[in-house]
Amino acid sequence: EAGVTQFPSHSVIEKGQTVTLRCDPISGHDNLYWYRRVMGKEIKFLLHFVKESKQDESGMPNNRFLAERTGGTYSTLKVQPAELEDSGVYFCASSQTAMNTEAFFGQGTRLTVV
Amino acid sequence: AQSVTQLGSHVSVSEGALVLLRCNYSSSVPPYLFWYVQYPNQGLQLLLKYTSAATLVKGINGFEAEFKKSETSFHLTKPSAHMSDAAEYFCAVISTGTASKLTFGTGTRLQVTL
Repeated sequence: EAGVTQFPSHSVIEKGQTVTLRCDPISGHDNLYWYRRVMGKEIKFLLHFVKESKQDESGMPNNRFLAERTGGTYSTLKVQPAELEDSGVYFCASSQTAMNTEAFFGQGTRLTVV
Repeated sequence: AQSVTQLGSHVSVSEGALVLLRCNYSSSVPPYLFWYVQYPNQGLQLLLKYTSAATLVKGINGFEAEFKKSETSFHLTKPSAHMSDAAEYFCAVISTGTASKLTFGTGTRLQVTL
């Protein structure tokens, strides 16, 4: 069974550009989460989807970040326009239950904004 | 509110020595506690979890952790370190009643030397 897959694995963009990260969860997992780790700091929650609906987006830093999950399958996280402080590793996770007791993580997308 | 503190951003042990990675949590309600591991160029992998059953939890690769409510701790141990244990380890908490949102510590990088 395929795990959580994230694309791309690395992205280097210039400040002001747009980047879109993609996450394919495990098939059948209704719950999908985005997290971010800024260098040297803790991994922080960004948002949670249940199917195509945003259940909790309290961790989204600002309105330059837009997450979607059309059709309740894969999800995208767009950053527009990117700023230097957006650099970090973006993790996606999925789970069958909402209690996150069995969340499976992808390998992450390392975003560098220069 | 919930939080996790991991003492020591870097820990170095000799191969065959005891591994002890410290984690203290703060939660206003009974927590669920997790240890995740990230090997180089891989995603986060669940090592073990505490969800209010047995206080001593055994995980994969010979790791275990003990939930101590009186000390608000959930330290990770392994009796004998292997070179393959070199990785970054993250402690995380979910407070029951706040489904889905993992709160992570800052991580501890474990180095295993010959």
